[in-house]
Parts: sequence; structure tokens; C-alpha cells
Amino acid sequence: DAKTTQPNSMESNEEEPVHLPCNHSTISGTDYIHWYRQLPSQGPEYVIHGLTSNVNNRMASLAIAEDRKSSTLILHRATLRDAAVYYCILRRSSNTGKLIFGQGTTLQVKP
Amino acid sequence: KAGVTQTPRYLIKTRGQQVTLSCSPISGHRSVSWYQQTPGQGLQFLFEYFSETQRNKGNFPGRFSGRQFSNSRSEMNVSTLELGDSALYLCASSLRSPGRQLDYGYTFGSGTRLTVV
Repeated sequence: DAKTTQPNSMESNEEEPVHLPCNHSTISGTDYIHWYRQLPSQGPEYVIHGLTSNVNNRMASLAIAEDRKSSTLILHRATLRDAAVYYCILRRSSNTGKLIFGQGTTLQVKP
Repeated sequence: KAGVTQTPRYLIKTRGQQVTLSCSPISGHRSVSWYQQTPGQGLQFLFEYFSETQRNKGNFPGRFSGRQFSNSRSEMNVSTLELGDSALYLCASSLRSPGRQLDYGYTFGSGTRLTVV
């Protein structure tokens, strides 16, 4: 399974955009890029996923580099409720349902 | 619609006992996976079920087992509990079908907090 690299922690101010980076230089053509977040004392929450094109949903946007070796999760206006650990995961969809979680990025949002 | 439901939310067991945890997936989701989360090891994959068949298993001892019923509900069982089995056990369901190229996200439950004393 291909690995991802994320910064351990990031800080943001409330109501400002947040760009969470993820490097995945060994990504293969069939790997989907998934993002999940985990708030304290809760299970992980699905945020967004994509393959090649940029994706948008009500929670966030996913910007995927043209060579697919990196991606960025964009929270357009951070709120205090967005403070969580964010996980970037590669998943080969035709393979197992396994998600391999790394250490993720702990996002702190300051009021 | 209802999310992934895990029962019980909290459980305290004694070393050597066994435990069964339950997971009801989102209606229509046939893929169910289980994860263990501990402060030291983070989130680790236990196993995945689809159509009552185990599709993949993580690197856990045979004391950890599971099953899936025809209505997609799943249970996991841990026998001969050890102190190190204390963890948050999470279940996740998805519309994903094995072998299909199209991918879907996973919806996680709130977990069962197991404490072994």
C-alpha cells in the first residue's frame, strides 16, 4: 500500500481558509485519495475522496496535483468545530476495503 | 437516515473473558469493516466483510474474529481478553463492492470503548 506524508500539526484562525497538504509520491493509477477527520471522542468522519480531478462537497474541496503525487484538502472557512485530526489515505478501490491510517495532521483553530 | 450503530458504547471486562461487539451498518451498505484504536498504535484495520464473507483480515491474533449476517449487520468477538485489548473498537460501512473500480467513502460509528481489567 502506498504511503502518505502529512505535517503533524497546523494552526488556523477561525473563519479563514485552511489548506491541509498531503504528499503521496508512490501513488498508483488506481489509488483513490481519501480524507477523513476525527474529532475528540468520536469515530473518524468521511470528508471527501477523489481520483484525478478536483472534487467539491459541502464540507470541503480536494485539490489534486496534475501528477497526483500530492493533494490538498481545503476548508473554505474554518470554524472551531473543524479542530480535529485529519487523515489523508490512499486506497486501491479494487483491492480490499482496508483504510491505512497514519498519524494525520492535528488542526488547531483559534478564535 | 440512521448512521452506523455500535453497541454497547462502553464495556468493562476481566482478563480471560470474551466479548462480542455489534455493528448495524447504514441501510443499503453491504461492506462492513472493523478497526481498533489505541493511543499507542492509532487506528488499525481488523477485518472487512461483504455479503457475509470475510474479504480481508488485518494483522491481529486469532482471538479476534467476526461475522456478518444476511442483513449486513456484523459482530466481532474477542476471546481470552488481555489487558492490551483495551481500546476503542470502530465499525465502518460503505456502498463499496469488492472488485469494483468505483470507490466510496466509509461511514464510521461512534465505537465501543472496551476496558479490560
